[in-house]
Amino acid sequence: KAGVTQTPRYLIKTRGQQVTLSCSPISGHRSVSWYQQTPGQGLQFLFEYFSETQRNKGNFPGRFSGRQFSNSRSEMNVSTLELGDSALYLCASSAWGGSSAQYFGPGTRLLVL
Amino acid sequence: EDKVVQSPLSLVVHEGDTVTLNCSYEVTNFRSLLWYKQEKKAPTFLFMLTSSGIEKKSGRLSSILDKKELFSILNITATQTGDSAIYLCAVEAIVMRAQKLVFGQGTRLTINP
Repeated sequence: KAGVTQTPRYLIKTRGQQVTLSCSPISGHRSVSWYQQTPGQGLQFLFEYFSETQRNKGNFPGRFSGRQFSNSRSEMNVSTLELGDSALYLCASSAWGGSSAQYFGPGTRLLVL
Repeated sequence: EDKVVQSPLSLVVHEGDTVTLNCSYEVTNFRSLLWYKQEKKAPTFLFMLTSSGIEKKSGRLSSILDKKELFSILNITATQTGDSAIYLCAVEAIVMRAQKLVFGQGTRLTINP
């Protein structure tokens, strides 16, 4: 079974721009969660999608948004990028959310200049 | 506020040593506790613990959960240089039927030959 895939793997943007990251979960998984990882803050939860609906949201500003498609693929969008948005963005999929374990993708490393 | 604290933050030992990593938590609506190993990119799943006192083992790694005292430990015996990584503890909370993972800061483990 193929693992979680994320595209692109690396991205460089400038302040004020917007970016869209993509995540394809493991086949059959319906829950996709997004995380931001920085050296200072560690791994922080952004949001979780299940069956095209956002079920849970972390404490991030409205510039961070996401969506999920009917095939469970998910996208995350960050608008009006700030320098502090530079991070590794990880998505994780699980079968149902709930108590099933999450499996992480390789991440997208975003650098904002 | 939900919180997961790992200790130590950093640990350096020699190959062959046994290490114990700690994770304590304060989370409402606890569902499970997960351990991940992160080497260069994405965290890889190690264990999921839901019940107190039941040890989970995988080779030289083992973990146990104490839901009364709100902590878990991860043991690695006969360490090898390939065990060098950041070990992440995450606690799953269920909020309105949605899964939310709260991560600790991680323990950076270095195994010297």
